[in-house]
Amino acid sequence: AQSVAQPEDQVNVAEGNPLTVKCTYSVSGNPYLFWYVQYPNRGLQFLLKYITGDNLVKGSYGFEAEFNKSQTSFHLKKPSALVSDSALYFCAVREYSGGYQKVTFGIGTKLQVIP
Amino acid sequence: DAGVIQSPRHEVTEMGQEVTLRCKPISGHNSLFWYRQTMMRGLELLIYFNNNVPIDDSGMPEDRFSAKMPNASFSTLKIQPSEPRDSAVYFCASTPPRAGGGDTQYFGPGTRLTVL
Repeated sequence: AQSVAQPEDQVNVAEGNPLTVKCTYSVSGNPYLFWYVQYPNRGLQFLLKYITGDNLVKGSYGFEAEFNKSQTSFHLKKPSALVSDSALYFCAVREYSGGYQKVTFGIGTKLQVIP
Repeated sequence: DAGVIQSPRHEVTEMGQEVTLRCKPISGHNSLFWYRQTMMRGLELLIYFNNNVPIDDSGMPEDRFSAKMPNASFSTLKIQPSEPRDSAVYFCASTPPRAGGGDTQYFGPGTRLTVL
């Protein structure tokens, strides 16, 4: 069965510093990997995804993520954090089987950017 | 496009009452997901429909929960009878057909349910 792990409940970073939110995955086939962001009292919003191709994926709001097959990781990064980046971040993995999709979300990591 | 629409946004009810949550997916999307989010358990997939047919309901907690999708533009999640432990935020999400970028889920704003 597929799974996603986000080892950190919370990440604190100073404004202007680089940030990393970690994600590792387990899937039997080729992984489809996603990052979503949730602001308070809102639904999840898509940030970026990896399907195939370049291991470095660029997404919304200046975020990027690096797919590392050997380490089964898909860490979210941003070169310079903004206070407005403070939110809950979810990593997700999707598998297709028999024409249907199975999606699993991580537990979420709270990012706190300190002014 | 208005996005995924959920109603009500907030629901407060008493234990034992029936609760019905509603979702309107984005037009043209053919997959619909119901999720529950709590502090303790995070985001849990309850059920997933494809072309109005339930594909995976293994996440539905128990028989008190039921979901329907009578047509491509409407789905309901019903809890009967409701219990305090059902208190959570319930999200609906939809995806377009795979050929049309069906990998990305579009989430609604959620329904915050409180069962007293």
